[in-house]
This record gives sequence, C-alpha cells and structure tokens, in this order.
Amino acid sequence: DIVMTQSPSSLAVSAGETVTINCKSSQSLLSSGNQKNYLAWYQQKPGQSPKLLIYLASTRESGVPDRFIGSGSGTDFTLTISSVQAEDLADYYCQQHYSYPLTFGSGTKLEIK
Amino acid sequence: QVQLQQSGAELAKPGTSVKLSCKASGYTFTSYYIYWVKQRPGQGLEWIGYIYPGNGGTYYSEKFKGKATFTADTSSSTAYMLLGSLTPEDSAYYFCARRRYKGYVMDAWGQGASVTVSS
Repeated sequence: DIVMTQSPSSLAVSAGETVTINCKSSQSLLSSGNQKNYLAWYQQKPGQSPKLLIYLASTRESGVPDRFIGSGSGTDFTLTISSVQAEDLADYYCQQHYSYPLTFGSGTKLEIK
Repeated sequence: QVQLQQSGAELAKPGTSVKLSCKASGYTFTSYYIYWVKQRPGQGLEWIGYIYPGNGGTYYSEKFKGKATFTADTSSSTAYMLLGSLTPEDSAYYFCARRRYKGYVMDAWGQGASVTVSS
C-alpha cells in the first residue's frame, strides 16, 4: 500500500495569511504514461462530510475558490491556501488516487486565530 | 443534483452486524462506483473499498476483508455495506461517496452514518 505522510498535523493562522500543507507519498504518484500526478486534496469542515478540492495534484474541482492551489510532483505535494478566510477552518486530507487501495494522509487541522 | 442519502445512526452490540444504506439520486446509479470510507471520532479517513453497481463488482481493502460486505440494489439506486462481527473498534462514522467518472477520487459524499458498538 502507498503510505501518505502529511504535515503539519495542525496549524493556526490569522485571516489573510497564506498556509502551506505538505503531503509525501511512499512511492511516486506520477504516471509515466500521461505524466499526471495522482494526488487529491479534500476539505472537511466541522461536522460535515469531506469535500473534494483538488485532484491530479493541481486541478481544482468546479466551484473551488482559486485561493486553493495544489502543486508538486512525484512524491512531494503541497496545498497552498492564500489569503485564508474564516470559512477555511477545517481538516485537510491528501489522498493518492494512483492505485488501489486508496490511502489518505493523516490530516491537517487548520485553525483561524 | 447528485445526492447520496445515508441511513441513520446505529447502536449495536459486540458480535452482531449492522447494514448501512446509501441511496443515490441525481445521476445514473449503475454508471459510477460507490466507495465507502471509515472515520473514527477525531481521527482521519480510511478507505474501505468499493462496489460498482453496474455489474456488482467489489474490491475490499485488505484490512476490511471479512469485515465489510458491499451490495447494491439497482432498482432503488441504493448501495449497502454490511459490517459484521462488530467490535468497539468498528465504532465510527461511515461515509459512502461516488467515484468520479474518471479517476479514483470522490466527488460526492453522503452525510455519514454513525455506528456505535457497545454492550
């Protein structure tokens, strides 16, 4: 199974700041066939179901604000949230969608000061 | 719009089984995989496996083989997950989610169902 390691486990920022969340996979998520990276990010607000934010490492799901930016390749990936807003209070998870079984990172709790 | 409506909270005794349901609407049920995900209180997400209602094909993560059983009723657009031989470690929220048409990501989620295992 592909192990996903996410950091930090939590962080607290003030509104308007930029946040970076890291995710590392135990093996490359880059497909040699199409040069795409199979890494997704989800947001889970308190008491809600997860919501897909980004897939293929950097493709935003429809309706996701452009302050959410995914980047990275191979085994190292980043979710950047620019100009954080109060509504971004949530847990964030990375997930590899390269192969079964699908696996998630352990999550990052984002708190707003 | 795409919706996945899950059944309600379950309280079960150790050693028994519970069957969770996930009713889909707003899309062609037989054309999309249904994934199941476990989340223990205050913990992260754990992928259990999938069922493809189009042909009934299933896949289980190794950890959940023998624990979870997926079925689907195409006449009612409902997916089910049977959890057997329950232990306190099975106490969690369980989500169903639709796999995007292309790619192993989850683009729509049910609201989750709580399972509590206690004597």
